[in-house]
Amino acid sequence: QKEVEQDPGPLSVPEGAIVSLNCTYSNSAFQYFMWYRQYSRKGPELLMYTYSSGNKEDGRFTAQVDKSSKYISLFIRDSQPSDSATYLCAIADTGNQFYFGTGTSLTVIP
Amino acid sequence: GAVVSQHPSRVICKSGTSVKIECRSLDFQATTMFWYRQFPKQSLMLMATSNEGSKATYEQGVEKDKFLINHASLTLSTLTVTSAHPEDSSFYICSAIVGDSYGYTFGSGTRLTVV
Repeated sequence: QKEVEQDPGPLSVPEGAIVSLNCTYSNSAFQYFMWYRQYSRKGPELLMYTYSSGNKEDGRFTAQVDKSSKYISLFIRDSQPSDSATYLCAIADTGNQFYFGTGTSLTVIP
Repeated sequence: GAVVSQHPSRVICKSGTSVKIECRSLDFQATTMFWYRQFPKQSLMLMATSNEGSKATYEQGVEKDKFLINHASLTLSTLTVTSAHPEDSSFYICSAIVGDSYGYTFGSGTRLTVV
Protein backbone atom coordinates (compact mmCIF):
# COMPACT_ATOMS: atom_id res chain seq x y z
CA GLN A 1 0.00 0.00 0.00
CA LYS A 2 1.31 3.42 -0.92
CA GLU A 3 1.75 5.94 1.83
CA VAL A 4 -0.33 8.50 -0.06
CA GLU A 5 -3.01 7.90 -2.67
CA GLN A 6 -4.30 10.61 -4.96
CA ASP A 7 -6.67 10.39 -7.91
CA PRO A 8 -4.64 11.54 -10.93
CA GLY A 9 -7.69 12.84 -12.79
CA PRO A 10 -7.66 14.59 -15.17
CA LEU A 11 -10.27 16.94 -13.81
CA SER A 12 -11.95 19.50 -16.05
CA VAL A 13 -14.35 22.13 -14.69
CA PRO A 14 -15.95 25.34 -15.98
CA GLU A 15 -14.70 28.68 -14.72
CA GLY A 16 -16.32 29.63 -11.43
CA ALA A 17 -16.88 26.06 -10.28
CA ILE A 18 -15.86 24.70 -6.90
CA VAL A 19 -13.05 22.16 -7.20
CA SER A 20 -12.46 19.38 -4.72
CA LEU A 21 -9.14 17.55 -4.67
CA ASN A 22 -8.50 14.66 -2.33
CA CYS A 23 -5.84 12.38 -0.92
CA THR A 24 -5.85 9.49 1.48
CA TYR A 25 -2.95 8.27 3.54
CA SER A 26 -2.12 5.12 5.38
CA ASN A 27 -0.03 6.02 8.40
CA SER A 28 -1.64 7.72 11.38
CA ALA A 29 1.81 8.96 12.42
CA PHE A 30 1.76 11.54 9.65
CA GLN A 31 1.28 14.95 11.16
CA TYR A 32 1.96 17.56 8.50
CA PHE A 33 -0.18 18.05 5.44
CA MET A 34 0.57 20.20 2.43
CA TRP A 35 -0.78 21.01 -0.97
CA TYR A 36 1.44 22.06 -3.84
CA ARG A 37 0.56 23.49 -7.23
CA GLN A 38 2.76 22.60 -10.17
CA TYR A 39 2.48 24.30 -13.52
CA SER A 40 3.71 22.45 -16.57
CA ARG A 41 7.52 22.13 -16.66
CA LYS A 42 7.87 24.02 -13.37
CA GLY A 43 8.72 23.02 -9.84
CA PRO A 44 5.93 22.66 -7.26
CA GLU A 45 4.96 25.70 -5.18
CA LEU A 46 3.49 25.45 -1.71
CA LEU A 47 -0.17 26.46 -1.51
CA MET A 48 -1.31 25.34 1.90
CA TYR A 49 0.22 23.79 4.98
CA THR A 50 -1.56 22.49 8.05
CA TYR A 51 -0.88 20.10 10.89
CA SER A 52 -4.22 19.71 12.61
CA SER A 53 -7.62 18.31 11.78
CA GLY A 54 -10.13 20.80 10.54
CA ASN A 55 -10.18 23.52 7.93
CA LYS A 56 -7.64 26.15 6.97
CA GLU A 57 -8.63 28.89 4.58
CA ASP A 58 -6.49 31.15 2.42
CA GLY A 59 -8.38 33.24 -0.08
CA ARG A 60 -10.14 30.95 -2.53
CA PHE A 61 -8.35 27.88 -1.16
CA THR A 62 -9.45 25.74 1.78
CA ALA A 63 -7.44 22.80 3.07
CA GLN A 64 -9.31 20.21 5.09
CA VAL A 65 -7.79 17.44 7.18
CA ASP A 66 -9.65 14.53 8.76
CA LYS A 67 -7.12 12.56 10.74
CA SER A 68 -9.66 10.01 11.92
CA SER A 69 -10.36 9.04 8.31
CA LYS A 70 -6.81 9.73 7.09
CA TYR A 71 -8.25 11.96 4.41
CA ILE A 72 -7.21 15.41 3.22
CA SER A 73 -8.87 17.73 0.76
CA LEU A 74 -8.20 20.96 -1.06
CA PHE A 75 -11.15 23.07 -2.16
CA ILE A 76 -10.85 25.84 -4.72
CA ARG A 77 -13.73 28.29 -4.89
CA ASP A 78 -14.56 30.42 -7.91
CA SER A 79 -12.01 28.52 -9.98
CA GLN A 80 -10.10 30.48 -12.61
CA PRO A 81 -8.30 29.39 -15.80
CA SER A 82 -5.05 30.35 -14.04
CA ASP A 83 -5.76 27.57 -11.54
CA SER A 84 -5.16 25.02 -14.30
CA ALA A 85 -2.21 23.00 -13.05
CA THR A 86 -1.32 19.77 -11.33
CA TYR A 87 -2.03 19.70 -7.61
CA LEU A 88 0.10 17.51 -5.39
CA CYS A 89 -0.67 16.56 -1.84
CA ALA A 90 2.27 15.94 0.45
CA ILE A 91 2.38 14.44 3.88
CA ALA A 92 5.25 14.40 6.33
CA ASP A 93 6.07 12.69 9.56
CA THR A 94 7.99 14.19 12.45
CA GLY A 95 11.20 12.82 11.02
CA ASN A 96 10.89 15.18 8.08
CA GLN A 97 10.22 12.36 5.64
CA PHE A 98 7.91 13.60 2.92
CA TYR A 99 5.54 11.53 0.82
CA PHE A 100 3.90 12.96 -2.27
CA GLY A 101 0.73 12.01 -4.07
CA THR A 102 0.89 11.44 -7.81
CA GLY A 103 -0.84 14.75 -8.47
CA THR A 104 -4.24 15.63 -9.93
CA SER A 105 -4.30 17.45 -13.25
CA LEU A 106 -6.88 20.26 -13.24
CA THR A 107 -8.13 22.25 -16.21
CA VAL A 108 -10.46 25.20 -15.69
CA ILE A 109 -12.29 26.02 -18.88
CA PRO A 110 -13.12 29.71 -19.54
CA GLY B 1 9.89 34.97 -0.05
CA ALA B 2 12.64 32.39 -0.11
CA VAL B 3 13.70 31.34 -3.56
CA VAL B 4 15.55 28.29 -4.79
CA SER B 5 17.17 28.83 -8.15
CA GLN B 6 17.82 25.79 -10.31
CA HIS B 7 19.51 25.62 -13.66
CA PRO B 8 19.65 24.70 -16.38
CA SER B 9 15.90 24.49 -16.91
CA ARG B 10 16.37 22.02 -19.70
CA VAL B 11 19.29 20.14 -21.17
CA ILE B 12 19.75 17.66 -23.96
CA CYS B 13 22.84 15.52 -23.88
CA LYS B 14 24.27 12.56 -25.71
CA SER B 15 24.26 9.12 -24.16
CA GLY B 16 27.44 8.51 -22.18
CA THR B 17 28.11 12.13 -21.28
CA SER B 18 27.70 13.78 -17.88
CA VAL B 19 25.38 16.59 -16.94
CA LYS B 20 25.57 18.91 -13.92
CA ILE B 21 22.49 20.54 -12.41
CA GLU B 22 22.87 23.39 -9.92
CA CYS B 23 20.54 24.34 -7.12
CA ARG B 24 21.07 27.61 -5.25
CA SER B 25 19.25 29.05 -2.28
CA LEU B 26 18.81 32.80 -2.66
CA ASP B 27 18.59 35.02 0.43
CA PHE B 28 18.79 32.11 2.84
CA GLN B 29 21.17 29.37 3.86
CA ALA B 30 20.20 25.80 3.22
CA THR B 31 22.18 23.28 5.23
CA THR B 32 20.01 20.57 3.73
CA MET B 33 18.73 20.28 0.20
CA PHE B 34 16.80 17.50 -1.44
CA TRP B 35 16.91 16.09 -4.94
CA TYR B 36 13.85 14.55 -6.60
CA ARG B 37 13.07 13.13 -9.97
CA GLN B 38 9.66 13.06 -11.54
CA PHE B 39 8.51 10.91 -14.43
CA PRO B 40 5.46 11.99 -16.47
CA LYS B 41 2.20 11.55 -14.59
CA GLN B 42 4.04 10.25 -11.54
CA SER B 43 4.83 11.69 -8.16
CA LEU B 44 8.04 13.26 -7.00
CA MET B 45 10.47 10.59 -5.88
CA LEU B 46 13.17 11.53 -3.40
CA MET B 47 16.59 10.56 -4.71
CA ALA B 48 18.89 11.90 -2.05
CA THR B 49 19.31 14.32 0.81
CA SER B 50 22.21 16.70 0.38
CA ASN B 51 23.95 17.98 3.51
CA GLU B 52 26.39 20.85 3.46
CA GLY B 53 29.90 19.72 4.21
CA SER B 54 29.13 16.01 4.35
CA LYS B 55 28.19 13.11 2.12
CA ALA B 56 24.73 12.93 0.69
CA THR B 57 22.26 10.33 1.88
CA TYR B 58 20.81 8.34 -0.98
CA GLU B 59 17.47 6.61 -1.07
CA GLN B 60 17.34 2.90 -1.66
CA GLY B 61 17.77 2.01 -5.29
CA VAL B 62 19.52 5.25 -6.27
CA GLU B 63 23.06 4.71 -7.55
CA LYS B 64 25.37 7.08 -5.70
CA ASP B 65 28.12 6.65 -8.28
CA LYS B 66 25.77 7.63 -11.06
CA PHE B 67 24.08 10.57 -9.37
CA LEU B 68 26.89 12.54 -7.74
CA ILE B 69 25.78 15.15 -5.24
CA ASN B 70 28.03 17.89 -3.92
CA HIS B 71 26.86 20.39 -1.31
CA ALA B 72 29.99 22.47 -0.94
CA SER B 73 28.42 25.61 0.49
CA LEU B 74 25.34 26.70 2.41
CA THR B 75 23.76 28.04 -0.76
CA LEU B 76 24.74 25.57 -3.46
CA SER B 77 24.09 21.91 -4.12
CA THR B 78 24.86 20.19 -7.41
CA LEU B 79 23.65 16.96 -8.95
CA THR B 80 25.81 15.39 -11.65
CA VAL B 81 24.31 12.64 -13.75
CA THR B 82 27.31 10.65 -14.92
CA SER B 83 27.40 8.53 -18.06
CA ALA B 84 23.83 9.44 -18.79
CA HIS B 85 21.57 7.01 -20.60
CA PRO B 86 18.14 7.53 -22.18
CA GLU B 87 16.45 5.99 -19.16
CA ASP B 88 17.87 8.84 -17.07
CA SER B 89 15.70 11.26 -19.03
CA SER B 90 13.41 12.82 -16.47
CA PHE B 91 12.46 15.99 -14.63
CA TYR B 92 14.87 16.67 -11.76
CA ILE B 93 13.85 19.05 -8.98
CA CYS B 94 15.72 20.30 -5.93
CA SER B 95 14.22 21.73 -2.79
CA ALA B 96 15.20 23.18 0.56
CA ILE B 97 13.51 23.80 3.86
CA VAL B 98 13.37 27.44 4.80
CA GLY B 99 13.84 28.07 8.49
CA ASP B 100 11.51 26.16 10.77
CA SER B 101 8.56 26.03 8.43
CA TYR B 102 7.31 22.84 6.95
CA GLY B 103 6.77 22.71 3.26
CA TYR B 104 9.78 22.75 1.05
CA THR B 105 10.67 25.53 -1.34
CA PHE B 106 11.33 23.97 -4.72
CA GLY B 107 13.52 24.92 -7.62
CA SER B 108 11.90 25.29 -11.02
CA GLY B 109 13.20 21.91 -12.17
CA THR B 110 15.49 20.65 -14.93
CA ARG B 111 14.17 18.68 -17.87
CA LEU B 112 16.92 16.24 -18.87
CA THR B 113 16.71 14.48 -22.20
CA VAL B 114 19.38 11.93 -23.06
CA VAL B 115 19.58 11.05 -26.73
